[in-house]
Amino acid sequence: GQQLNQSPQSMFIQEGEDVSMNCTSSSIFNTWLWYKQEPGEGPVLLIALYKAGELTSNGRLTAQFGITRKDSFLNISASIPSDVGIYFCAGPTSGTYKYIFGTGTRLKVLA
Amino acid sequence: DSGVTQTPKHLITATGQRVTLRCSPRSGDLSVYWYQQSLDQGLQFLIQYYNGEERAKGNILERFSAQQFPDLHSELNLSSLELGDSALYFCASSVATYVGEKLFFGSGTQLSVL
Repeated sequence: GQQLNQSPQSMFIQEGEDVSMNCTSSSIFNTWLWYKQEPGEGPVLLIALYKAGELTSNGRLTAQFGITRKDSFLNISASIPSDVGIYFCAGPTSGTYKYIFGTGTRLKVLA
Repeated sequence: DSGVTQTPKHLITATGQRVTLRCSPRSGDLSVYWYQQSLDQGLQFLIQYYNGEERAKGNILERFSAQQFPDLHSELNLSSLELGDSALYFCASSVATYVGEKLFFGSGTQLSVL
């Protein structure tokens, strides 16, 4: 079945650094959703993307819908300790309501 | 607060037992989605309901079942529980008028099977 692979799997960065992560699929997606999950909590929606090439920001977060429709990218600028968590990409498969999630990128910020 | 309510927050039970997890969607949302997240794993899609009808199905075990009631709340029933069923179970909701809408998640039910 369709899978969403995220890289890197985990990253340790210093406070103030910028972060880049990506999400790739073997098939085309028409929607990309980026979520953040903190321990013991449900995923919280960060950014939604609907068009190839679209670039959308939410504060220090910027996400892009890849031109090929098979990937998406999330950047975090000037990271702070509260950015710690797991970041997931997600999207509905093949025009269905079956939303699958990526493997996640675990972010740790060192003060 | 996403507006999606899940109860109970924690559930501890024994192998072979049956449990029911409950989800109330955001006001105005017609669809609920159930996901399973095992320790340090991603979210696995189980099933989706729209206005009382099953609309999409993932790799949900035959021992698991769900339904959505006329007031739009949903229940996920897990039976003949095994140790491997221990996980976080999340419910999400959306209006579901088109594919690609945003999903909003509850805070989950932590199930521990001993």
